[in-house]
Amino acid sequence: DTEVTQTPKHLVMGMTNKKSLKCEQHMGHRAMYWYKQKAKKPPELMFVYSYEKLSINESVPSRFSPECPNSSLLNLHLHALQPEDSALYLCASSQDRSGKNTEAFFGQGTRLTVV
Amino acid sequence: AQSVSQHNHHVILSEAASLELGCNYSYGGTVNLFWYVQYPGQHLQLLLKYFSGDPLVKGIKGFEAEFIKSKFSFNLRKPSVQWSDTAEYFCAFRRAGGYNKLIFGAGTRLAVHP
Repeated sequence: DTEVTQTPKHLVMGMTNKKSLKCEQHMGHRAMYWYKQKAKKPPELMFVYSYEKLSINESVPSRFSPECPNSSLLNLHLHALQPEDSALYLCASSQDRSGKNTEAFFGQGTRLTVV
Repeated sequence: AQSVSQHNHHVILSEAASLELGCNYSYGGTVNLFWYVQYPGQHLQLLLKYFSGDPLVKGIKGFEAEFIKSKFSFNLRKPSVQWSDTAEYFCAFRRAGGYNKLIFGAGTRLAVHP
C-alpha cells in the first residue's frame, strides 16, 4: 500500500464553522506533512510532524490546528477561516529524516472552499 | 533564501517532440532533488529523485534528469513526449540530512498536442 488517503475530497465551510481534514497512511512512515496549494501555484509547506511530534510550523495562522493522534493519522482542524484560505490542502508522508529513501508521497488533497 | 526556479511556465509540444524542462535551485550544500508530476485532477506523483551517486537519474514513463552540481541544475528530459504527458511538472529540493522540508518550484504546465 503506497497510498496517502485524504478525506473529505471536497469541503465547503462558512467562516464561523469548525471542520477537520483527515489524512491516513499505512506505509510505516514517521514523518507527515500538511501543504497548501493555491490554484496554479506550487505546494507550500504548512506543518511537519516527525514521530508524532510537531517539528515544523511555517508560521501558519492559529485558525489552522494540526494534530497527529498516532503514527498513521494526521488531522488539520479548521476554525474561523477566511475566504482566502480556500485552496487544495495536501497531506504527504515520508520515512523519517534519517532514512535513505525519504521521498514524500502525496494524497489527492482536500479542495476547501470557504464562503 | 533557498528557492527553486523553473524557467518555463508553459510549454506546448507536439507528440514525438523532445522535452527539456529547466530547474535551478539556490543552496550551496548537499541536496536531495525531485521532479513531481500532477496530471489533471490527480495527486502529485514522484517522477524521479536524486540523492547521491550517478547524476543522471532515470524515472518512470521514460523521463530522466541530470544533476549538474556546478550549475545548481536538475533539468528534466524526455526524448519523445506523448499526449498522456500533458500535466504540470514541479521541481523540488530539500537540504540533505536536515528536516524534510521540500521546496517546490512554481511548476511548468506542459500541453502535448496529438
